[in-house]
Amino acid sequence: EDQVTQSPEALRLQEGESSSLNCSYTVSGLRGLFWYRQDPGKGPEFLFTLYSAGEEKEKERLKATLTKKESFLHITAPKPEDSATYLCAAVGGTSYGKLTFGQGTILTVHP
Amino acid sequence: DTGVSQDPRHKITKRGQNVTFRCDPISEHNRLYWYRQTLGQGPEFLTYFQNEAQLEKSRLLSDRFSAERPKGSFSTLEIQRTEQGDSAMYLCASSLVSSGANVLTFGAGSRLTVL
Repeated sequence: EDQVTQSPEALRLQEGESSSLNCSYTVSGLRGLFWYRQDPGKGPEFLFTLYSAGEEKEKERLKATLTKKESFLHITAPKPEDSATYLCAAVGGTSYGKLTFGQGTILTVHP
Repeated sequence: DTGVSQDPRHKITKRGQNVTFRCDPISEHNRLYWYRQTLGQGPEFLTYFQNEAQLEKSRLLSDRFSAERPKGSFSTLEIQRTEQGDSAMYLCASSLVSSGANVLTFGAGSRLTVL
């Protein structure tokens, strides 16, 4: 069974303090690794898709990377508006419709 | 394009009642998904459709849950004889299947509280 585990569960940073979020996955035949951002009371918002080990993608202060077992979401010089829950999800095997999500990392950035 | 719309946004019901949620996907998208999310957890897959065909259904989905997508447009998720454990956020998402990314766009969700 596909599994996705995120760490830490919660992360508190000062504005400008860079850090990384971890996503470990056990998926048969990975077809895609996704990062989403979720604000309270809202649905997840797409950030990145990664397909193969070594791939990297960037968007503003965020950079996602992928290895054969993990993905990292690096946050450089975060701002308070980056505070949210960050979700990692994987798609594998023959089911291209089913994303398996981790439990999320709650990020709080203090001014 | 107004995104994925879900209705109602909030529903409070008594145990044993039936509830129905509606999802209107992005018009050009051909896939529609239902997920359930409880507090502090990531979304959990329930089912998905390609056009009007229901292609996969979670083993965790009991017989009290049924989803439809008539004519491949909007979808409904019905929960019969609700239980307190059904309290959750029900998320709908849609995507356009093409070569490469199958990026899901989520709606804001329908929050269910079963008393």
